[in-house]
Amino acid sequence: AQSVTQPDIHITVSEGASLELRCNYSYGATPYLFWYVQSPGQGLQLLLKYFSGDTLVQGIKGFEAEFKRSQSSFNLRKPSVHWSDAAEYFCAVFTGNQFYFGTGTSLTVIP
Amino acid sequence: EAGVAQSPRYKIIEKRQSVAFWCNPISGHATLYWYQQILGQGPKLLIQFQNNGVVDDSQLPKDRFSAERLKGVDSTLKIQPAKLEDSAVYLCASGLLGSPYNEQFFGPGTRLTVL
Repeated sequence: AQSVTQPDIHITVSEGASLELRCNYSYGATPYLFWYVQSPGQGLQLLLKYFSGDTLVQGIKGFEAEFKRSQSSFNLRKPSVHWSDAAEYFCAVFTGNQFYFGTGTSLTVIP
Repeated sequence: EAGVAQSPRYKIIEKRQSVAFWCNPISGHATLYWYQQILGQGPKLLIQFQNNGVVDDSQLPKDRFSAERLKGVDSTLKIQPAKLEDSAVYLCASGLLGSPYNEQFFGPGTRLTVL
C-alpha cells in the first residue's frame, strides 16, 4: 500500500539556521512527489514538486528538495530559515491515481 | 486570478445535525477535490470530480456524506447526520483537466466542530 511518512511531528529552529524536513514514501514505482506548506487558517500552498530528471528541485520561498530513490526519500531543505516560515509542512505523493499526504511537520522558528 | 473559494469558514453543530459546505473552484478548472483533514493528520481525499462526474469516491463514507458538482463548476459537500468524529477541516481543491502534474490549488478550508 502507498504511504507517506514524516517522522518529525514538530521541529524548532532558530531564525537564520538551516532546516531539513524528512519525508519517506512507500510506492512501487517512481511517484510524483510534492511538498506543501499550510499556514494557520490557510489552505495548502505548493512549495515544489518532483516528477523526473534532476533529483534536486528548487521551489518557492528559497526551499529545495532532493529525491533519493535508494532511500525512498524526498527531504525538504532551506539554508536559512525566516520567522515567516513557521507553518505546517506536508509531503505528498501522487501515484497516478490518488494523492497521499503525510501527517505533517509543524515548524516553529525562534528569534 | 481568484483562488478557490470555500464557505462557511467555520461551522459548529451538534451531533446528528446536518451541515453543508460550498466550494467554488478556480475558473476553468475541470477537476475538483474534497479532502478531510483531522487535527494532527494530513488531508485525506474524500471525493474527486472531473467536470460534473465522480472520478473517485472510494473513501467517502456514503452512509452520511454526499457531494455533488452540478454544471461542473461549484460543488457542495453534505454530512447528514454528523458524528463527533467528523470534526475536521474540509478542504476543497481544483486543478486543470489534463494537467500532466495533477497540480491542485487549495482553498482555505471549512473548520467543522461537532459537539
